[in-house]
Parts: sequence; C-alpha cells; structure tokens
Amino acid sequence: AQSVTQPDIHITVSEGASLELRCNYSYGATPYLFWYVQSPGQGLQLLLKYFSGDTLVQGIKGFEAEFKRSQSSFNLRKPSVHWSDAAEYFCAVGARENYKLSFGAGTTVTVRA
Amino acid sequence: EADIYQTPRYLVIGTGKKITLECSQTMGHDKMYWYQQDPGMELHLIHYSYGVNSTEKGDLSSESTVSRIRTEHFPLTLESARPSHTSQYLCASSISGHPSSYEQYFGPGTRLTVT
Repeated sequence: AQSVTQPDIHITVSEGASLELRCNYSYGATPYLFWYVQSPGQGLQLLLKYFSGDTLVQGIKGFEAEFKRSQSSFNLRKPSVHWSDAAEYFCAVGARENYKLSFGAGTTVTVRA
Repeated sequence: EADIYQTPRYLVIGTGKKITLECSQTMGHDKMYWYQQDPGMELHLIHYSYGVNSTEKGDLSSESTVSRIRTEHFPLTLESARPSHTSQYLCASSISGHPSSYEQYFGPGTRLTVT
C-alpha cells in the first residue's frame, strides 16, 4: 500500500520569502501525486497534480512541485509567499491499481509580516 | 456553478442521537468519498462509492453507514452518535476516466461534536 510522509509539521515564513514543503512517498511504481491546500474551516483545494511526463509541475496560486523518483519526493515550492498562503498543505499519493488517495498528515504554514 | 456541498457545516449533538451528514455534488461525478479528519492527522478514507448502488468501506473502520441512491447524493449516517465520533468529515468526488479519477474535489466539510 502507498503512504506519504510530510516531515515538517509547521513552517513559519516571512511574507515575500520563498517556501518549500517536503513530501516523501512510498510506492513501488510511479505514483500519481497531488498537493492540496486547506484554509481554516474549509475543504481541500487541489493545487497541482503529477500523472506523468515533465517532472516539474505548475499549479495554481503560483505554486510548483518537482517529482524526483530517485528520492521518492514531490516537494512543493513557491518563490514569494503572500499572507493569503497561510494554510495547511497536504500531499497525497494515488496508486495505479485503485482510485484511492493516501494523504500525509499535513504541514501548517504561518506567514509573518 | 458545478460544486460539492455539505450540510450542516457544524453540528453539536448529544450522545445516542442519530445523525445524517449530507453531501451533494452538481458536477456529474461518478465517484464519491467520505474522509474523517482530525487535527494534525492525515485524512482517513472511511467510505467510497463508484456509482449508484455501489458503496464500499474505506481504510479506516467506521461505525457510520452510507448510501448512494442517486448519483449526486452520498449521505453518511451515524445511528447512535458517541463522543469518539467527534471529528471533521469531508466529502469528495471525482470523475470517471484514468487518471482523472484520482483528481478529487472536496466539499467544505462538516465539523461534528458529540457531547
């Protein structure tokens, strides 16, 4: 079965600084990978996805992620964060043999002025 | 506008009550899912459905039940609520097709508190 680890529980970043959130997955084959964002009191919104092809994926709100097979990683990046990026971020992996997603425990991002 | 809706958004209820959490989507998606989310924890899949009259239990054991009589509607029921059921419940849906089916769209969630 697939699984996801998000090593950072909480990250604080200054507005305008760059952001990188780590995600490591466990799966025997090439997985389907996702990043979701959850604002307080809301559901999850899809930021970006990787199915195949180019390993650098562009998403909404200026986010990008890079799939590195050798490191089993799918880290999320943003060059310059805005106060509105304060939220919880979830990495998820989908196995090719079923339609289920497995989620990490999330990383909470705080943006300071 | 195509969307996924959950009602109620917040529910505080006493132990032993029967409750139904509603989930509806207007996106025409075949697949629907229920997740349980606790603070600092990953989302746990508790039920899923790949179409009308098709329901399956997820990876996390749950005392809740679901039904899928209409494509757009996927309610979750707890026959007798207990404090251990206190959690946030998220509903999601996805379209058929591969790999599009993995792209899940989420509702706003229902935060349930059982006293």
